[in-house]
Amino acid sequence: EAQVTQNPRYLITVTGKKLTVTCSQNMNHEYMSWYRQDPGLGLRQIYYSMNVEVTDKGDVPEGYKVSRKEKRNFPLILESPSPNQTSLYFCASKKGAGAFYEQYFGPGTRLTVT
Amino acid sequence: GESVGLHLPTLSVQEGDNSIINCAYSNSASDYFIWYKQESGKGPQFIIDIRSNMDKRQGQRVTVLLNKTVKHLSLQIAATQPGDSAVYFCAENWVSSDFNKFYFGSGTKLNVKP
Repeated sequence: EAQVTQNPRYLITVTGKKLTVTCSQNMNHEYMSWYRQDPGLGLRQIYYSMNVEVTDKGDVPEGYKVSRKEKRNFPLILESPSPNQTSLYFCASKKGAGAFYEQYFGPGTRLTVT
Repeated sequence: GESVGLHLPTLSVQEGDNSIINCAYSNSASDYFIWYKQESGKGPQFIIDIRSNMDKRQGQRVTVLLNKTVKHLSLQIAATQPGDSAVYFCAENWVSSDFNKFYFGSGTKLNVKP
């Protein structure tokens, strides 16, 4: 089944403890992206990758890191999480880096930082 | 339509009626516009898209209208069904050879009354 998977689905952590949220897609998509969703604010793009070893900042990159060493994986790293990073996170992918390709979303990771 | 703040605007319709959800976008350079549906506890799901050189596109029971003059996008759902109850987001995709960014609206909650 074609899909985007994220792990973990739920995570509660403490301020300053490094964490990684994994994202994987099995559709051989070039483009992958991370979003955060907060009440009343819709989704905001954190980072995206147009291909392997190519990453770029979205609208809200502060406090996050990403890497794209393989086409299928795009992990989101929080080196020193803070309470304002408590949010619902979505990974997404689409076939090409150009426009007009449908974007597929993962099921989400709910992160709480205390 | 669009909303800033913690509370989603809600549209309540009777089953069988038509629904119209509106969205104002911000970037006149955006190339591509997409409507997503998000059900509770799930990631956004693609509904329909439209390119910036079009003003109308129809799918199965859904129509998207684009008015570039006033930077307005709308989603029309015909014969709304209880399964259409969800939060709907518009998104704009801004693409160049160097970047490929997405910007989302804050969402509208559609409540279908049986």
